[in-house]
Amino acid sequence: EAQVTQNPRYLITVTGKKLTVTCSQNMNHEYMSWYRQDPGLGLRQIYYSMNVEVTDKGDVPEGYKVSRKEKRNFPLILESPSPNQTSLYFCASSALQGLRVEAFFGQGTRLTVV
Amino acid sequence: GDSVTQMEGPVTLSEEAFLTINCTYTATGYPSLFWYVQYPGEGLQLLLKATKADDKGSNKGFEATYRKETTSFHLEKGSVQVSDSAVYFCALSDAGNMLTFGGGTRLMVKP
Repeated sequence: EAQVTQNPRYLITVTGKKLTVTCSQNMNHEYMSWYRQDPGLGLRQIYYSMNVEVTDKGDVPEGYKVSRKEKRNFPLILESPSPNQTSLYFCASSALQGLRVEAFFGQGTRLTVV
Repeated sequence: GDSVTQMEGPVTLSEEAFLTINCTYTATGYPSLFWYVQYPGEGLQLLLKATKADDKGSNKGFEATYRKETTSFHLEKGSVQVSDSAVYFCALSDAGNMLTFGGGTRLMVKP
């Protein structure tokens, strides 16, 4: 079954404690990205990756890091989380086929930073 | 830059009512347009898409037509069901695979 898997689904942490949210896809997709979802703001892209070792900033990259060492994995790293990073996070992947592609989303990670 | 504007919710309807959720966009190129749906506790799923002007996307009784002249992609369904209760996102893809989302519209359908 084609899927994007994120872990954990829920996380409560304290300010400044480094954390990583993992994302893995089994569809051999080149393109992967991270979004955060906040009420009234829709989904905003944090970072994206066009392929292994190729990453770039999205609209709201501050306070986040990513890496793409393998095609299937795209972890999101918060080196020093702050309360304004409390949000619902989604990982997505798609094939790199121009404008006709469908993005597949993970089930989301709800992060609370206290 | 690109942007997507959709009507704010929540939209509350009775079962079997007609649904319209408005979506307009701004893009520099010729984008593909999408509607994604998010059911409670789940990630987003593609509902329908259209890749060029006058295309109509349809799925599960939902329809949307790509109107280049009005830069719109309104979502419609003739008869909603309780199971359609969800958050609906309009989105566009212009350059490469990057998706730009609207703010989302929550639909609540009452029996």
